[in-house]
Amino acid sequence: DIQMTQSPSSLSASVGDRVTITCRASQSISPHLSWYQQKRGKAPKVLIYDVSSLHSGVSPRFSGSGSGTHFTLTISNLQREDFGSYYCQQTYSTPPTFGQGTKVEVK
Amino acid sequence: QVQLVQSGAEVKKPGASVKVSCKASGYTFPSYDINWVRQAAGQGFEWMGWLNPNSGQTGYAQNFQGRVTMTRDTSINTASMELSSLRSEDTAMYYCARVWSFGPGLGDWFFDLWGSGTLVTVSS
Repeated sequence: DIQMTQSPSSLSASVGDRVTITCRASQSISPHLSWYQQKRGKAPKVLIYDVSSLHSGVSPRFSGSGSGTHFTLTISNLQREDFGSYYCQQTYSTPPTFGQGTKVEVK
Repeated sequence: QVQLVQSGAEVKKPGASVKVSCKASGYTFPSYDINWVRQAAGQGFEWMGWLNPNSGQTGYAQNFQGRVTMTRDTSINTASMELSSLRSEDTAMYYCARVWSFGPGLGDWFFDLWGSGTLVTVSS
C-alpha cells in the first residue's frame, strides 16, 4: 500500500494568514492526488483533485501543487470557515490511501 | 437534492454483525460507484471497498476480506455494507462515498459526495 504522510499534524493560524500543508507519498503518484476538508462531526468535502484542479464551488483561496511524491495544499487569506482538518488522498493505486490529517486551529 | 443518507447509529457486541445502508437520491444511482470508508475517533480514513451499483460487482480491501460484504438494491437506490465478526477495533464512523470520474485513467477519480456517516460502536 502507498503510505501518505502529512505535515504538520496540526497548526495554529490567524484569519488572513497563508497556510501550507504538505503531503508526501511513499512512491510516485502523480497526478492522482486529492485534498479534502473535514469539519468536526461532519463528512469530508473535496477541495482539490488531480493535484491542482479546484472542485466546483470551492473557494479559489484553496490551491494545490506538486508532483511525483511531494504535494502541497495552500490556503490563502485564511477565513474562519476554513478551520478544520485537511486530508490528502492518493488514487494512483488500490487501496486508495489517505494522509493522517492536518488540523488547522485558530491562533 | 443530490445526497446520500445513511442509516442510524448501531451498538453491537463483539462477534456480531452490522449492516449499514446508504440511500442515494437526486441522481442516477446505477451510474456511479459507491465506496465505503471508515474513520475511528480522532483518526484518519481507512478504505474498505467499492461497489458498482449497476453490475453489483465489488472489490474489498485486503484488511476486510472475508468479513465485509457490499450489496445494492437498485429498486430503492440503496447500497449496503455488512461487516461481520465485529471487534472493539471496528468502532468507528462508517461513510459511503460516491465516486466521480473525470478522466480515462484508472486514477482519475475522487469522492465528490459523502454520506453523513453511521457510528458503529462495538462493546461488550
